[in-house]
Amino acid sequence: EAGVTQFPSHSVIEKGQTVTLRCDPISGHDNLYWYRRVMGKEIKFLLHFVKESKQDESGMPNNRFLAERTGGTYSTLKVQPAELEDSGVYFCASSQDWQLYNEQFFGPGTRLTVL
Amino acid sequence: TQLLEQSPQFLSIQEGENLTVYCNSSSVFSSLQWYRQEPGEGPVLLVTVVTGGEVKKLKRLTFQFGDARKDSSLHITAAQPGDTGLYLCAGNDYKLSFGAGTTVTVRA
Repeated sequence: EAGVTQFPSHSVIEKGQTVTLRCDPISGHDNLYWYRRVMGKEIKFLLHFVKESKQDESGMPNNRFLAERTGGTYSTLKVQPAELEDSGVYFCASSQDWQLYNEQFFGPGTRLTVL
Repeated sequence: TQLLEQSPQFLSIQEGENLTVYCNSSSVFSSLQWYRQEPGEGPVLLVTVVTGGEVKKLKRLTFQFGDARKDSSLHITAAQPGDTGLYLCAGNDYKLSFGAGTTVTVRA
């Protein structure tokens, strides 16, 4: 069974440009999460999809970030326009059920560098 | 404000020694999880603890959850170089709240 995949693995862009990150969850997983780690700090929650619906987007930092999950399969996270403080590693995770003790499976992350 | 504090931040030991990593939370979560992350990869779940006072063992790893369900520890017995990695604790309320992690290096 394929794990969570993310694309690209690395992205280097200039301030003001737009970047789109993609996450393909494990097949059959209805729950998809985005997290990020910036500047060596702890990994922080961004948002949670259940199928194509946004269940919790309380961690989204501002309106420059837009997440979508059309059709309830893969998800994209767009940053427009990117700022220097957006640099970090963006992780995607998926889980099969929406239960308290469910295991979230993480992708390898996308390292974003904004110059 | 960081909810979960991990200590120490770094730990370097010789193969065969024991080590303990601590996680203290300012809040009570539905469960607490421990993850291990290697360079270039995402975190991988090691264990979930739910009940205060719970102890779980995973081969040479022992996980304890405090009675108040706010503190936890990870103890590795006879560490091996393969145990090297970043150990993260996370409070689970559907979404995860992570600590900053403990970087463990086991020297051969």
